[in-house]
Amino acid sequence: EAGVAQSPRYKIIEKRQSVAFWCNPISGHATLYWYQQILGQGPKLLIQFQNNGVVDDSQLPKDRFSAERLKGVDSTLKIQPAKLEDSAVYLCASSLEVATNTQYFGPGTRLTVL
Amino acid sequence: EDQVTQSPEALRLQEGESSSLNCSYTVSGLRGLFWYRQDPGKGPEFLFTLYSAGEEKEKERLKATLTKKESFLHITAPKPEDSATYLCAPSGGTSYGKLTFGQGTILTVHP
Repeated sequence: EAGVAQSPRYKIIEKRQSVAFWCNPISGHATLYWYQQILGQGPKLLIQFQNNGVVDDSQLPKDRFSAERLKGVDSTLKIQPAKLEDSAVYLCASSLEVATNTQYFGPGTRLTVL
Repeated sequence: EDQVTQSPEALRLQEGESSSLNCSYTVSGLRGLFWYRQDPGKGPEFLFTLYSAGEEKEKERLKATLTKKESFLHITAPKPEDSATYLCAPSGGTSYGKLTFGQGTILTVHP
């Protein structure tokens, strides 16, 4: 079974530029999560989708971050404009359904903002 | 607000030297306590889920246990390949499915 796919794996941008990350969850997984992991810290949830609807985006900085999950499959997370403090690894995870809750993570995208 | 504290922050062991990692949590309405392993440059890899106090689960040299306020990850006779960051994450509260991760314990096992 293929795992969670993410691209790109690495991205370097200047502050105030925009960037987008893509995630393809495990086939059949209804729930998709985006996490931000700053160096030395545990992952922090940014947004949770159930199919193509948002379940929780309480920790998403909505003035600069946006995410969508069209057709309830793959998802895109965008940052516009980026700040230095956005430098982190962005992880995507998926689970079969919220009730089972075991989340499987992709390899992440390492973002460096200069 | 849910809180999770892992200790120690870093642990160095000799191969074969058993030890335990601690995860203290404050979560209302715990639905599950998850343990993940994370290698450098990779995403977290699922290890265990514990659902109720007194529950134990084992996988190779790892055993996870759960009380009402803490979880322990016991490592028996570790090998260098067990070196990684171990993350715990309780799930509960008002946001169904949300995991609150601790900062992790960096485990290094020397041969």
